[in-house]
Amino acid sequence: KQEVTQIPAALSVPEGENLVLNCSFTDSAIYNLQWFRQDPGKGLTSLLLIQSSQREQTSGRLNASLDKSSGRSTLYIAASQPGDSATYLCAVRPDDYKLSFGAGTTVTVRA
Amino acid sequence: GAVVSQHPSRVICKSGTSVKIECRSLDFQATTMFWYRQFPKQSLMLMATSNEGSKATYEQGVEKDKFLINHASLTLSTLTVTSAHPEDSSFYICSAKRTANYEQYFGPGTRLTVT
Repeated sequence: KQEVTQIPAALSVPEGENLVLNCSFTDSAIYNLQWFRQDPGKGLTSLLLIQSSQREQTSGRLNASLDKSSGRSTLYIAASQPGDSATYLCAVRPDDYKLSFGAGTTVTVRA
Repeated sequence: GAVVSQHPSRVICKSGTSVKIECRSLDFQATTMFWYRQFPKQSLMLMATSNEGSKATYEQGVEKDKFLINHASLTLSTLTVTSAHPEDSSFYICSAKRTANYEQYFGPGTRLTVT
């Protein structure tokens, strides 16, 4: 069974600092990995999706890397802003479309 | 594009009653939809996979008679929580798998409180 772990569980940084969020998974046989943002009491917003054949994806201040063989992904958020405060979830997808989620990292960016 | 809605966004019901939650794909067809449950500060747990025109597939430990799922059309799946108890209080999120590119798009969630 796929286990997805996110470390740290919570993170508080001053505005402007770069954020590094980690995700690890136990079964490297994945189709893709996806990073989501979740605001309190809200649904999920997809940030980046990395196919298993890719090493990284970038969107604006966000960059996600994937090392499938070691079962790791890292989400980098450059020059953090208070609006980046949210919970960030990673999810891996095997071939059968059932996503396995980590518990998330709750980020607070202090103004 | 690829918008998924859920209704209602919040619902409070009394113990013993049933409540229905709708999940709609607004601008695409979805032969498969997924229902997740999320407890505070925990991850999303897949409850069941809903396939249009056929019976839902439930994950281990999920009571199919308690959580009734119907996927009557290519744009609508419903989750009915029957004989609700306070421990059913949770955040329920659906997702729809777009047939065109196989990606999942998530709804905004429904907060269920059973009193």
